[in-house]
Amino acid sequence: VQLVESGGGLVHPGGSLRVSCAASGFSFTAYWMDWLRQAPGKGLEWVAIINIDGSAKAYADSVNGRFTISRDNTENSLYLQMTGLRPDDTAIYYCARNRGFNSYDTWGLGTLVTVSS
Amino acid sequence: QSALTQPASVSGSPGQSITIPCTGTFSDVGAHNYVSWYQQHPGKAPKLIIYEVRSRPSGVSNRFSGSKSGTTASLTISGLQPEDEADYYCNSYGYTGLFGGGTKVTV
Repeated sequence: VQLVESGGGLVHPGGSLRVSCAASGFSFTAYWMDWLRQAPGKGLEWVAIINIDGSAKAYADSVNGRFTISRDNTENSLYLQMTGLRPDDTAIYYCARNRGFNSYDTWGLGTLVTVSS
Repeated sequence: QSALTQPASVSGSPGQSITIPCTGTFSDVGAHNYVSWYQQHPGKAPKLIIYEVRSRPSGVSNRFSGSKSGTTASLTISGLQPEDEADYYCNSYGYTGLFGGGTKVTV
């Protein structure tokens, strides 16, 4: 069971970035999936959730309207499209498998997104 | 919704037991039995160590135990070991994900 994030990097304020998460070793289509993040030296923050077929999504207030979560079940992949990026979006972004009731039993290693001019 | 409340730090000596509280409200922690705990070592991803208040995933040491009373969930680490030195986070089921601010455990 593995999750591998990619796509992080340095982006200017107001810019856009898409991070990806490749899942393997389990039935991807059986699980809701989430993105969480952790700013440098700070705690964990939930970002977004998507249901098994992508028909239901929810977002933290801090990213609602700027970030979009999606998934491709044919590719076993999860995505987070980020627009209007701000310096306070700087964080390690983790994808996580939701075993139910917002309990995360598998995490990727994370991908670092830095928003700076 | 506000974050769950955890102490910033807890310390103990090898072999001792420590308890980390996680305080919420009757809308989250007090409303159900879906509280989880995660361990995070520096530079590493979080690891689930307790789910549904007191259940342990396969492979997690039985030195870790969870409980709940009212609006406060707790993680107890028994027989403290040097490798237990890490950050610990609680989270609760809710409309949106709720996490505690994290507790740094020093051994």
